[in-house]
Amino acid sequence: DTEVTQTPKHLVMGMTNKKSLKCEQHMGHRAMYWYKQKAKKPPELMFVYSYEKLSINESVPSRFSPECPNSSLLNLHLHALQPEDSALYLCASSPAVPNYGYTFGSGTRLTVV
Amino acid sequence: KNEVEQSPQNLTAQEGEFITINCSYSVGISALHWLQQHPGGGIVSLFMLSSGKKKHGRLIATINIQEKHSSLHITASHPRDSAVYICAVPGNQFYFGTGTSLTVIP
Repeated sequence: DTEVTQTPKHLVMGMTNKKSLKCEQHMGHRAMYWYKQKAKKPPELMFVYSYEKLSINESVPSRFSPECPNSSLLNLHLHALQPEDSALYLCASSPAVPNYGYTFGSGTRLTVV
Repeated sequence: KNEVEQSPQNLTAQEGEFITINCSYSVGISALHWLQQHPGGGIVSLFMLSSGKKKHGRLIATINIQEKHSSLHITASHPRDSAVYICAVPGNQFYFGTGTSLTVIP
């Protein structure tokens, strides 16, 4: 298995909802990443987990809460989002940090209404 | 200043044309990635290279580590090549270029 699987592919949520994005990989990678991408912009790093510990938080608002329950799974919990949080959320993994063998998921298209 | 600069930002070509996208970077690296993203889609890794040249089908990527420059070439371009092409260099995170939006017209 050489993929990073993200679910759901599309999500529409209200500003008072609580939802979660899921990312899974079975390549034995020990670093996992969340990126946010707005239209026509490159991805922006949100969080990095290394060996299941949060190693980088790029000053992301607390309405985004990451969780890494085990080395294969990365979640992003969403609560009280704003319409400007609508974006493509990409997950990626790599064998370690720093490392060159990044693999990206296909993303979750999030719309906040 | 961005660590990774790409040019051009937008590119329109006729089917069959030879296409070149350029990438310059300022950080020290051992490898550079070329990525492809179709509209609304996830990111696919095309190449990871640390020296010389790599070829995959109609795609060719070159890198000059001393000059900190890489190019992505597409030969005999096709409408299905229409996508955003991004160069990126790894570190504690991935430093992305601004992307080149390519449209190939039949």
